[in-house]
Amino acid sequence: EPEVTQTPSHQVTQMGQEVILRCVPISNHLYFYWYRQILGQKVEFLVSFYNNEISEKSEIFDDQFSVERPDGSNFTLKIRSTKLEDSAMYFCASSVGTLSYEQYFGPGTRLTVT
Amino acid sequence: KQEVTQIPAALSVPEGENLVLNCSFTDSAIYNLQWFRQDPGKGLTSLLLIQSSQREQTSGRLNASLDKSSGRSTLYIAASQPGDSATYLCAVRVPSNAGGTSYGKLTFGQGTILTVHP
Repeated sequence: EPEVTQTPSHQVTQMGQEVILRCVPISNHLYFYWYRQILGQKVEFLVSFYNNEISEKSEIFDDQFSVERPDGSNFTLKIRSTKLEDSAMYFCASSVGTLSYEQYFGPGTRLTVT
Repeated sequence: KQEVTQIPAALSVPEGENLVLNCSFTDSAIYNLQWFRQDPGKGLTSLLLIQSSQREQTSGRLNASLDKSSGRSTLYIAASQPGDSATYLCAVRVPSNAGGTSYGKLTFGQGTILTVHP
C-alpha cells in the first residue's frame, strides 16, 4: 500500500542553523501539508501546498519557514534559523483531492534544537 | 476559531470491553472529521473519515458517528484488545480562516490515551 515517507526520522541541530525536512508524498496525490506536534501538545497545521504554491498557512508559518517541491516526488520544509521552540515532531501529509478527501500522514521527523 | 476537545484524556480498560471515545468541536462548519491512531513516537494512522453529510462510518471493530449540528463525534471500539493501546486523535477539516482558496486544514484534538490491559 502506498505511503508517505519522511527523512530523516530524527534531526538534531544547533540553534540558528538551517534544517530541511524531506517528504515523499503518495505518488498520485496533488495536495500536500505540513503539521507539527510539540511534545505533549496538539498537532498543529503549518501550511498547505498545491500546484507549486502555498494555498494556506498558519500564524506559526512565519518568514523563517518555507516549502518547496523541488522535483516530481519530494516536498520539503525548510527552517532558516532554528530556535529552541522549533523542537517538535514534524508531519508531512498528502491527499489525492481537496476538501472531502482523506489526508495521509507520514511517520514524522523529530527535530531537536539544542 | 475552531476548537476540538476530546474526552476522556486517558482511559484504561480490561481486554474485551467495548468503549467509547468522545470528540467535540465548537464550529459546525466542517467538511469532514477524521479519526487517527498514534502510537508512541510514531506517525498518525487514519482510521475513519466521516463526511459532513454522513452520520457514521464503520471499519472492522471501529464505528465512528458524527452529529454535526451538536458538534460531536464518537469513536466506538468493540471488543478491545491490548493491540488497540495507543493515542486516538480526532481532527476536523475546516475552511480557511482568511477566506479565499482553502484546501481544508485539519484542526486536532489533544487525544485520548487508551490502554487496554490483558
